[in-house]
Amino acid sequence: EVQLLESGGGLVQPGGSLRLSCAASGFTFSNFAMSWVRQAPGKGLEWVSTISGRGGSTYYADSVKGRFTVSRDDSNNTTLYLQMNSLRAEDTAVYYCAKGQWVQTGSFDYWGQGTLVTVSS
Amino acid sequence: EIVLTQSPATLSLSPGERATLSCRASQSVSSYLAWYQQKPGQAPRLLIYDASNRATGIPARFSGSGSGTDFTLTISTLEPEDFAVYYCQQRSNWPPITFGQGTRLEI
Repeated sequence: EVQLLESGGGLVQPGGSLRLSCAASGFTFSNFAMSWVRQAPGKGLEWVSTISGRGGSTYYADSVKGRFTVSRDDSNNTTLYLQMNSLRAEDTAVYYCAKGQWVQTGSFDYWGQGTLVTVSS
Repeated sequence: EIVLTQSPATLSLSPGERATLSCRASQSVSSYLAWYQQKPGQAPRLLIYDASNRATGIPARFSGSGSGTDFTLTISTLEPEDFAVYYCQQRSNWPPITFGQGTRLEI
């Protein structure tokens, strides 16, 4: 059974940093692209970042480029990360990790339950 | 950036009726379009990928059609658990991957 479990969310001041984690199990983690998708309160879905499998090319939305860094541990931990720096109020959202169907991309066939990030003073 | 426009914003129907949701792309996305269902407090769930393929475990009453710029999600006979928000998403010309703004299907 595929499972994705996010952690690391919380309250942070504007300009601060936070690191999100997504622990994956139930599939061969290294073979699939992984992504972060966020949802601001009461709003729709916004793609944030994708890292491909087997080598890890990275891609970012313009809204987070230069501030967020996605990475993955394909060895023992099989974990996806999102390092978020220079956080802004508009980054407040539930952050979901999502598994891609293929090594490079694909639709998002499994999602975690989400972790809430609140940026506020 | 490819913009996806979903219509209607809200669709009011009753259980047993047929639902037709639309997604229009600002430029061709070929067949690289997916549909997701999201219920309150839950993560989205993949329903349809590549325009017309049902995801694992999705009931046959859900179907997708279209290519290029115009796509449709059809729910043939609404069940009570189908009332939710539906999003389309494209992965044709990315980054960025983009989502539509959602259609709320309400009783």
